[in-house]
Amino acid sequence: RKEVEQDPGPFNVPEGATVAFNCTYSNSASQSFFWYRQDCRKEPKLLMSVYSSGNEDGKFTAQLNRASQYISLLIRDSKLSDSATYLCVVYTGTASKLTFGTGTRLQVTL
Amino acid sequence: DTGVSQNPRHKITKRGQNVTFRCDPISEHNRLYWYRQTLGQGPEFLTYFQNEAQLEKSRLLSDRFSAERPKGSFSTLEIQRTEQGDSAMYLCASSSRVESSEQYFGPGTRLTVT
Repeated sequence: RKEVEQDPGPFNVPEGATVAFNCTYSNSASQSFFWYRQDCRKEPKLLMSVYSSGNEDGKFTAQLNRASQYISLLIRDSKLSDSATYLCVVYTGTASKLTFGTGTRLQVTL
Repeated sequence: DTGVSQNPRHKITKRGQNVTFRCDPISEHNRLYWYRQTLGQGPEFLTYFQNEAQLEKSRLLSDRFSAERPKGSFSTLEIQRTEQGDSAMYLCASSSRVESSEQYFGPGTRLTVT
């Protein structure tokens, strides 16, 4: 079983749609949680951190459920420019490393 | 540009050759990480440095791979006797010690072994 699991997609949605991505992680010792965005043939870029209380950054909402070891990302009012791969990431302090899911590809269409 | 930089951006080499990549982290960051990413996968951790000390190495880092950070600033990753399976994007990231979970990535070096 992979440490971080995501549905690879692709998710094809029209502009203006709301789309949700989910992710599960297996290491209960994981300390910090993130969503990264990666455009084709580019490096991953930090989109937002994820907190148990839930947090918003503009049209992005992230949620963490530690009991279920589950992380989500909601994107409202999708635009063409949101087309990318969204990587679910967990950080384990003891190893000081980020563990990435395989990513979920989002394609927003006109 | 004060972000993480990597050189070269692309490298094509023949099987059996040695290659070396360089990473320059964000200047005030004392932690530096190497990851590898293959097509359709997320990045996988290889190794990390705090200042010049290499503190963690993944099982993915075979004995053909070696990484150094001699003065605690830039780092090099060398692959000896390259194999086709080494073809991947090699990503470098850096972070501060205080916020070690917030890692900022360079543009990567794309290696193709023919």
